[in-house]
Amino acid sequence: KNQVEQSPQSLIILEGKNCTLQCNYTVSPFSNLRWYKQDTGRGPVSLTIMTFSENTKSNGRYTATLDADTKQSSLHITASQLSDSASYICVVRERRDSSYKLIFGSGTRLLVRP
Amino acid sequence: NAGVTQTPKFQVLKTGQSMTLQCAQDMNHEYMSWYRQDPGMGLRLIHYSVGAGITDQGEVPNGYNVSRSTTEDFPLRLLSAAPSQTSVYFCASSYRGTGRRDTEAFFGQGTRLTVV
Repeated sequence: KNQVEQSPQSLIILEGKNCTLQCNYTVSPFSNLRWYKQDTGRGPVSLTIMTFSENTKSNGRYTATLDADTKQSSLHITASQLSDSASYICVVRERRDSSYKLIFGSGTRLLVRP
Repeated sequence: NAGVTQTPKFQVLKTGQSMTLQCAQDMNHEYMSWYRQDPGMGLRLIHYSVGAGITDQGEVPNGYNVSRSTTEDFPLRLLSAAPSQTSVYFCASSYRGTGRRDTEAFFGQGTRLTVV
């Protein structure tokens, strides 16, 4: 069964510190991997999207890495801010031309404290 | 540019009642889909559509119907609400993309549904 597993489930860090969130997937065939940020009570918003040929992609203080061989991805947040408090969701798209199936991880809930 | 608009934002239903969750997008996206989000679980696909007049089932379709008469709208109907359908529902849309290229999925703000 295609799955996306994220760790840790939750994380508390102090403002200004860095952190790294992990994502392991078993989705095959693989098309691309996305990281979303979901604020409480809001819909997910895209941070990055990477194909299997991309190893790293940055979006401001967010840097995502992808190792398609080991089927692992990470999201690194630099110099965290209070506004980074949210759930971060790893999403993998199956490579099926006729469909658009996204498989979601259950997310990592990040709390940034002053 | 409103993006993806969902209504209502909150709804309480009694068991057995029916209702329709509305979803509209103004980006001329081909793909639209409905997900439910439950505590401790990833978003799960209910139904999706690859274009007007075309719909298909996702992972958890039972108890829900959809239709896609226009590109812009993709309503989700609960036929006979059950407490197990208490959840947060998200609508999403995106361009189709070609080959390895892909485009981002845009999500609505969600509808929080409680069935009592």
